[in-house]
Amino acid sequence: GDSVTQMEGPVTLSEEAFLTINCTYTATGYPSLFWYVQYPGEGLQLLLKATKADDKGSNKGFEATYRKETTSFHLEKGSVQVSDSAVYFCALSASSRSARQLTFGSGTQLTVLP
Amino acid sequence: DADVTQTPRNRITKTGKRIMLECSQTKGHDRMYWYRQDPGLGLQLIYYSFDVKDINKGEISDGYSVSRQAQAKFSLSLESAIPNQTALYFCATSASGGQEQFFGPGTRLTVL
Repeated sequence: GDSVTQMEGPVTLSEEAFLTINCTYTATGYPSLFWYVQYPGEGLQLLLKATKADDKGSNKGFEATYRKETTSFHLEKGSVQVSDSAVYFCALSASSRSARQLTFGSGTQLTVLP
Repeated sequence: DADVTQTPRNRITKTGKRIMLECSQTKGHDRMYWYRQDPGLGLQLIYYSFDVKDINKGEISDGYSVSRQAQAKFSLSLESAIPNQTALYFCATSASGGQEQFFGPGTRLTVL
């Protein structure tokens, strides 16, 4: 079945550091890939997405590139801020599923220190 | 106003009690979902509904039931709560054919 494997956390960085959170996936067909972010006390919200190979999703300084050859969708940001502290979830939506269900990774807690 | 709302936001109950969690949305979406979040496990799908007359089990439906009272309302029930159902529960919605899901703020449920 479909699955998403995320880099385990927690991750602690200093402000302005470079961030990478690794995500790899297993899926049949050609899935769409997502990064969701969960700020403390809130629900998940979509951060960025990519729907086909080599697409790059970007938002709020975060980027991720859909790499079909390595089945990866790593999240990067060049300079993190304290306000980026949150839990980040990688997810996929398999094209073979009419329900458009999302399969989530386990989440990575990011803490950015001033 | 929030597009997806959940009530209650927090609930503490005892083993064996019946509990209902409610979700309402103003996005006009046909599809609604209930997820459970446990530390280190990400989100697991409990039930999902394509429309009022279409309800489907997800990965972990045992011990749960749902009701889709209207397009905008989707409730989750625990008929007889047990301690390992202590978790954070999220409702989500999506448009038909859409991939992005929109999440409510969550309900933190504790079963003693």
